Amino acid sequence: GNSVTQMEGPVTLSEEAFLTINCTYTATGYPSLFWYVQYPGEGLQLLLKATKADDKGSNKGFEATYRKETTSFHLEKGSVQVSDSAVYFCALALYGNKLVFGAGTILRVKS
Amino acid sequence: NAGVTQTPKFRVLKTGQSMTLLCAQDMNHEYMYWYRQDPGMGLRLIHYSVGEGTTAKGEVPDGYNVSRLKKQNFLLGLESAAPSQTSVYFCATDRVGSVDTQYFGPGTRLTVL
Repeated sequence: GNSVTQMEGPVTLSEEAFLTINCTYTATGYPSLFWYVQYPGEGLQLLLKATKADDKGSNKGFEATYRKETTSFHLEKGSVQVSDSAVYFCALALYGNKLVFGAGTILRVKS
Repeated sequence: NAGVTQTPKFRVLKTGQSMTLLCAQDMNHEYMYWYRQDPGMGLRLIHYSVGEGTTAKGEVPDGYNVSRLKKQNFLLGLESAAPSQTSVYFCATDRVGSVDTQYFGPGTRLTVL
C-alpha cells in the first residue's frame, strides 16, 4: 500500500540551528509529495510541494527535494526561528486527490 | 471570505450520544473531506465528497455518516458516539482535479466519555 514514514519527534533546536526532518514514502505509482505545517490551535497549511522526481519545493526558507532513488522528501531549513515551532506533516497524493499523511513531527525551537 | 469553517470548535459527548459536525466553505470548491487526527497517527481520511449529492468512504469510515446536500456544506455525523471516536476532526476542500493543495478548517476537538 501507500504510506509515509517520518522521523519521530519532538525535535528540539536552538534558534538559528539547521533543521532536517526525514520523510520516506512507499507508493504504488509516482506520487506528488507535500509538506504541511500545523501551528498550535490551527488547521494544516501547505508549506511546499513537489510533483516529480528531482523537483525541489521551497517556501519560507524551507526546502525539500523529491528523491525517487531513495523514495525520500526530507525537509530542511538553514536557520530556524522560534516562530517555526509547529507540527510538520509529510504527505503524498496519487489518484483522486486523496492525501496520505505521515504521523507528524513536532518541532520546538528555543530562543 | 472565511475560507473553511467548522462548527463547533469543542464538544464533549457521553457514550451513545449523537452529534453532527458542520463544515462550510465559501471557495466554491467541488471536493470536500473529513479527517481525524490522533496522536502518532497523522491524519486519516474518514469520508469525502467529489460534488454536491455525492459521498464516498475513506480509510476509516466506520461509525460515521456524511451528507453533502449543498455544495458549500459537508456534514459529519456520529449516530452513537464511542470513546474511540475521541479525536480532533478536520475538514478540508480543494478544486476539481487538483492535488496542489487542500485548504483545512481549524478543527473540532471531540471528547467522548
